[in-house]
Amino acid sequence: EVQLLESGGDLVQSGGSLRVSCVASGFTFSSHAMSWIRQAPGKGLEWVSSINGYGESTYSADSVRGRFTVSRDNSKNTLYLQMNWLRAEDTAIYYCAKDRAFRLGPGAGIFESWGQGTLVTVSS
Amino acid sequence: DIQMTQSPSSLSASIGDRVTITCQASEDITNSLNWYQLKPGKAPRLLIYGASNLESGVPSRFSGSGSGTDFTLTISSLQPEDISTYFCQHYDDLAFTFGPGTKLDIK
Repeated sequence: EVQLLESGGDLVQSGGSLRVSCVASGFTFSSHAMSWIRQAPGKGLEWVSSINGYGESTYSADSVRGRFTVSRDNSKNTLYLQMNWLRAEDTAIYYCAKDRAFRLGPGAGIFESWGQGTLVTVSS
Repeated sequence: DIQMTQSPSSLSASIGDRVTITCQASEDITNSLNWYQLKPGKAPRLLIYGASNLESGVPSRFSGSGSGTDFTLTISSLQPEDISTYFCQHYDDLAFTFGPGTKLDIK
């Protein structure tokens, strides 16, 4: 059974930094691209960042590019999101999601398994 | 950038009803469209991928249709456990865009 367990969510001040993690099990982690997707309170889903199976290629939304960095450690089956210069509008539940594809690009973006999320709150 | 809209934004229906949710893209996306179910405190769930393909393990009362700009998620007979918010999502190369969601509850 695929399991994705996020952790690291916390209350942080505006301008601060935080790293959230996602530990995966039940599948060959390195064979799948992974993504972070968030949901702000009372809002819809917003894709944040993605990384390919080997961790060589990443891509992020305009709203976080230059502030957030996605990475992975395939030896630990763990996905990370380093968030710097946090803003109040980054307050959200952050979900990690397993992509059906290995690579980013055409065919990627079918998020077939998700975790339950970790809450990041940025106080202004 | 391609924009996704959904209608209605909220919907009340009775158990056993046929429920239809629509999703519209701002331009032709062929069949690059997924549907997800999101419940508070739970992991989101992929229901339909590629516009009309039922994800493994998803009840057959769920179905998806459409291509181009107009898509539909249908629940053939609403069950209590289907109360949730539903999101469509476009995927194309490096663009992943979600619709605003449709909140479904019991009448």
